[in-house]
Amino acid sequence: DTGVSQNPRHKITKRGQNVTFRCDPISEHNRLYWYRQTLGQGPEFLTYFQNEAQLEKSRLLSDRFSAERPKGSFSTLEIQRTEQGDSAMYLCASSSLGGAAPYEQYFGPGTRLTVT
Amino acid sequence: AQTVTQSQPEMSVQEAETVTLSCTYDTSESDYYLFWYKQPPSRQMILVIRQEAYKQQNATENRFSVNFQKAAKSFSLKISDSQLGDAAMYFCAYRRGETDKLIFGTGTRLQVFP
Repeated sequence: DTGVSQNPRHKITKRGQNVTFRCDPISEHNRLYWYRQTLGQGPEFLTYFQNEAQLEKSRLLSDRFSAERPKGSFSTLEIQRTEQGDSAMYLCASSSLGGAAPYEQYFGPGTRLTVT
Repeated sequence: AQTVTQSQPEMSVQEAETVTLSCTYDTSESDYYLFWYKQPPSRQMILVIRQEAYKQQNATENRFSVNFQKAAKSFSLKISDSQLGDAAMYFCAYRRGETDKLIFGTGTRLQVFP
C-alpha cells in the first residue's frame, strides 16, 4: 500500500494561467476528498467523490475550479484563470467504506501552488 | 454549522515533559467523531488519535491521550513524555457521522525543546 500520492508537489504559475493537479488515492479507497490549506490555517474542505460521483462541493469552490474522478480511481483538480488568492496547499485524502480502518481519511503530501 | 476552535496558536514543551493542547467545537449533531492530526514541517498530515462521540471512555494511543468533555464540547490532547519528533502543527478536527468531510481548527504549533 503506497499511500496517497499527489502530483506535482509544487507548481508556480502566472496569474491567469490554468493549472491541473492530480491525486492518486490508496488502492480501492472509494472516497476521495480535496482540501485547501492557506498559510497559518487548517485545511478547508473543497469537494469529495464517492467512486466517480461528486457528492458535495463547498461554496469555496468557485466556477473556476473543477474536479473530476473519471473512473473512480485518480482525481484531478483544475483551476482556470488562476488568481493570487488561489496560492495555497491543495491536499487530497482518501478513505474506504470498509476494511481495517473504515472511513479514516489518509492524506497525501499536497500540491503547493504559488500564483505570481 | 459546525465549528472547531483552537485558541493556542503556539505551545512549547521541554523534552520528556507533558503538554496539553486545547480544542473546543460546536455542533448540534449527536453522531460525530473528533480527531487530532499532526502535520510536521513539509510533511503530510497524519492521524494521531480519534474519539467517537458515543464513547464515554477517553481514547489513548501510546503517549497520546484525549480529555473528551462532551457536555462542554471540549476535546484536548495530552502528549506525555514529549519527544523532539513531536514538534509539528497539530490540528483538531470534527467529522459528522462516518463519511462526512473533516472540519479543522486553525492549528497549534508545538515546539519541543531539548
